[in-house]
Amino acid sequence: DADVTQTPRNRITKTGKRIMLECSQTKGHDRMYWYRQDPGLGLQLIYYSFDVKDINKGEISDGYSVSRQAQAKFSLSLESAIPNQTALYFCATSDNAGWTQYFGPGTRLTVL
Amino acid sequence: GDSVTQMEGPVTLSEEAFLTINCTYTATGYPSLFWYVQYPGEGLQLLLKATKADDKGSNKGFEATYRKETTSFHLEKGSVQVSDSAVYFCALRENTGGFKTIFGAGTRLFVKA
Repeated sequence: DADVTQTPRNRITKTGKRIMLECSQTKGHDRMYWYRQDPGLGLQLIYYSFDVKDINKGEISDGYSVSRQAQAKFSLSLESAIPNQTALYFCATSDNAGWTQYFGPGTRLTVL
Repeated sequence: GDSVTQMEGPVTLSEEAFLTINCTYTATGYPSLFWYVQYPGEGLQLLLKATKADDKGSNKGFEATYRKETTSFHLEKGSVQVSDSAVYFCALRENTGGFKTIFGAGTRLFVKA
């Protein structure tokens, strides 16, 4: 089984809808991350969490929120989706030293 | 702030050709450097890393040397295969402050048989 899983893998929604993307990990890591990938822009950090009680904004947090329900679970929400949030979203984890990040398979989100 | 710049793609090569993907960085401290690879339909996975100047990271025939004097970490492979077709991301990990990882924009590699 994969160490980092994301659900759903694909989602099409309409402008104004609330969307939640979920991430679970079995690596036992405290640190979790949400990234957005757009063609030609690489990965941009949305939010990150260093433990269950710690939430930090990344470079592009506007329009997004997160919830760290447990060490193993980190959810990303779009409160009112808009078309320019159409992208590939990745969840990742790392150990406390942060040397290596382990990525989930990604969620492809399309906002019409 | 810290940043990573890598060559634009796509890069198209024939099988067994030599590969170089350039990466340079800007950092206030002494970061650790990484190459990640993303195969079609998958998340990124670590390919190799180097944690200090003059270190060479290597894996699966790929190599990169941490050059502090030129602030570079170029990825090389002597003979590429069709299975190497993927997107390659250069990244740095800050060793101070938030210890965040900063990724370059990615370089897509196509290898033709």
